[in-house]
Amino acid sequence: GENVEQHPSTLSVQEGDSAVIKCTYSDSASNYFPWYKQELGKGPQLIIDIRSNVGEKKDQRIAVTLNKTAKHFSLHITETQPEDSAVYFCAATYRWYQKVTFGIGTKLQVIP
Amino acid sequence: GAGVSQSPSNKVTEKGKDVELRCDPISGHTALYWYRQSLGQGLEFLIYFQGNSAPDKSGLPSDRFSAERTGGSVSTLTIQRTQQEDSAVYLCASSLANGRMEHNEQFFGPGTRLTVL
Repeated sequence: GENVEQHPSTLSVQEGDSAVIKCTYSDSASNYFPWYKQELGKGPQLIIDIRSNVGEKKDQRIAVTLNKTAKHFSLHITETQPEDSAVYFCAATYRWYQKVTFGIGTKLQVIP
Repeated sequence: GAGVSQSPSNKVTEKGKDVELRCDPISGHTALYWYRQSLGQGLEFLIYFQGNSAPDKSGLPSDRFSAERTGGSVSTLTIQRTQQEDSAVYLCASSLANGRMEHNEQFFGPGTRLTVL
């Protein structure tokens, strides 16, 4: 089955700096890669996703890149703000009706 | 509109007792997922439903865990003879899953925090 590795497990940045979280996946058939943000006491919420026919996708301060050859994808957050502090999960799947495999999560702390 | 709801929000039980956790998915969502999240850990997949059938039960930790879904809507996760290691937050998610990849987004509920004493 699919295996998703995520690092770092914790990340502290100064407000205004950029944050990068990296994930690798094992199943070359995977073609959908969502990123979820989980705030304390809440369920995860989708923030951005990318499909394998796209190399990069941006949404305001958030961007995701995908390298299918190397089987890794990354989340980039620019101009970080304190409200970006949360746990971020990457995930991978290859068929819409299959389970989604999540990474272990990255706890991001943005220091004011 | 209404999101995914779960009940109870908190459950404290004694070791050896059975518990039932409930998930109400978003109306019209055909796929439903259960995950377990232990303190400070990632999301551990338990089971996935498409309609009322469960094509993937591979994540259930033991035969003490079971789940069902009726009417293509509400799902219950049952843990029999609970153990202390079952203590965790149990998250439910649903997705439209209508064959279009862009509709694969999972919408999560707030979770049920289970504490086994």
